[in-house]
Amino acid sequence: DQQVKQNSPSLSVQEGRISILNCDYTNSMFDYFLWYKKYPAEGPTFLISISSIKDKNEDGRFTVFLNKSAKHLSLHIVPSQPGDSAVYFCAALRAGSYQLTFGKGTKLSVIP
Amino acid sequence: DSGVTQTPKHLITATGQRVTLRCSPRSGDLSVYWYQQSLDQGLQFLIQYYNGEERAKGNILERFSAQQFPDLHSELNLSSLELGDSALYFCASTKTGGAGNTIYFGEGSWLTVV
Repeated sequence: DQQVKQNSPSLSVQEGRISILNCDYTNSMFDYFLWYKKYPAEGPTFLISISSIKDKNEDGRFTVFLNKSAKHLSLHIVPSQPGDSAVYFCAALRAGSYQLTFGKGTKLSVIP
Repeated sequence: DSGVTQTPKHLITATGQRVTLRCSPRSGDLSVYWYQQSLDQGLQFLIQYYNGEERAKGNILERFSAQQFPDLHSELNLSSLELGDSALYFCASTKTGGAGNTIYFGEGSWLTVV
């Protein structure tokens, strides 16, 4: 049973346009959400996070939106750059827990 | 460079064999996590140690075991290996292991079972 789902295995976006990566979760006990970026042959690197008490968190070109009622979050990258091409993982954490639950990832390709 | 070091980077071994993957956490981090990334399952949490003690267990097979040593490095032991164990194994570390900590990942150990 997958508690964190990223339904789009891949996404292609033109350089300079907006990239929107989506993530759905089923466990209402999750209260902290994170996005990780992963380049080939490297470990995942932390990108941005959001607590369940917020609905938006922004860091430079990256913004994460959380819709708790829909159990949905999204990562917006504006403007997209070729260096953003990577696999993006959505992850969730339950209150008091120590383990991340990851989605299967979305491969983003930004076309110059 | 995340500061988390994993060895070996690549390993090829035969079915039925036993391997040990090693992880050195970032300096000052007390908590170590092991994750498995296979092609169809994404990143799966295996186990977490905090300051030498097991803190949480995920989808870790009985054929697998781990430990964290007094110097805080950790080892993941995989035995009676099967073809399906071929995967990328990541180690990650945090300072305290609590919720909200930024988790730093190593580059992974790629295991191929033939």
